[in-house]
Amino acid sequence: DAGVIQSPRHEVTEMGQEVTLRCKPISGHDYLFWYRQTMMRGLELLIYFNNNVPIDDSGMPEDRFSAKMPNASFSTLKIQPSEPRDSAVYFCASSFLPGGQYFGPGTRLTVT
Amino acid sequence: AQKVTQAQTEISVVEKEDVTLDCVYETRDTTYYLFWYKQPPSGELVFLIRRNSFDEQNEISGRYSWNFQKSTSSFNFTITASQVVDSAVYFCALSEDGRDNYGQNFVFGPGTRLSVLP
Repeated sequence: DAGVIQSPRHEVTEMGQEVTLRCKPISGHDYLFWYRQTMMRGLELLIYFNNNVPIDDSGMPEDRFSAKMPNASFSTLKIQPSEPRDSAVYFCASSFLPGGQYFGPGTRLTVT
Repeated sequence: AQKVTQAQTEISVVEKEDVTLDCVYETRDTTYYLFWYKQPPSGELVFLIRRNSFDEQNEISGRYSWNFQKSTSSFNFTITASQVVDSAVYFCALSEDGRDNYGQNFVFGPGTRLSVLP
């Protein structure tokens, strides 16, 4: 398997623009996670899905953030409108209990 | 609210030394999950272990071992005979019981940066 795939790897956008991050989990995994990492806030879980259903979105910072998982092989994390403080590395991970989480390479987002 | 403390900000050891990374957590739930992750200099995140609160057995995986003690709310991680490739930031995390078997309300510790010198 190719592992968890994230796109784009790098994104630079201007404040106010919409940003969409994409993730393809490992086939057969029924959990999908979105994380964010910044120097200031460290590592945070934003939301996770089980069988395409959001289970816990308590980590989503505000209404500007939304995540969807329309099917078992695709998820998006959208920020609209983006702000400079959203600059971070966003990781997607998938897992199949009781196994471990497999992480994608991350998307480095810079909002200017 | 739950909390994870990793008091060691940075640790340096010489190759082949054993090193223990401390993790202390706080939660009011009786069912919760504990995790360790590794982030090497390349930046990717590597999942190491997930443990639920009812399983206090210590676990060993190669040179890695984990000591879970509910009495002291600790979930420490030991690397035996450390190697340069172990150099990374290590994160401990806690999630509380949710409506599935994974938990929710993830909280990460600040991480411990381990440097293994040749």
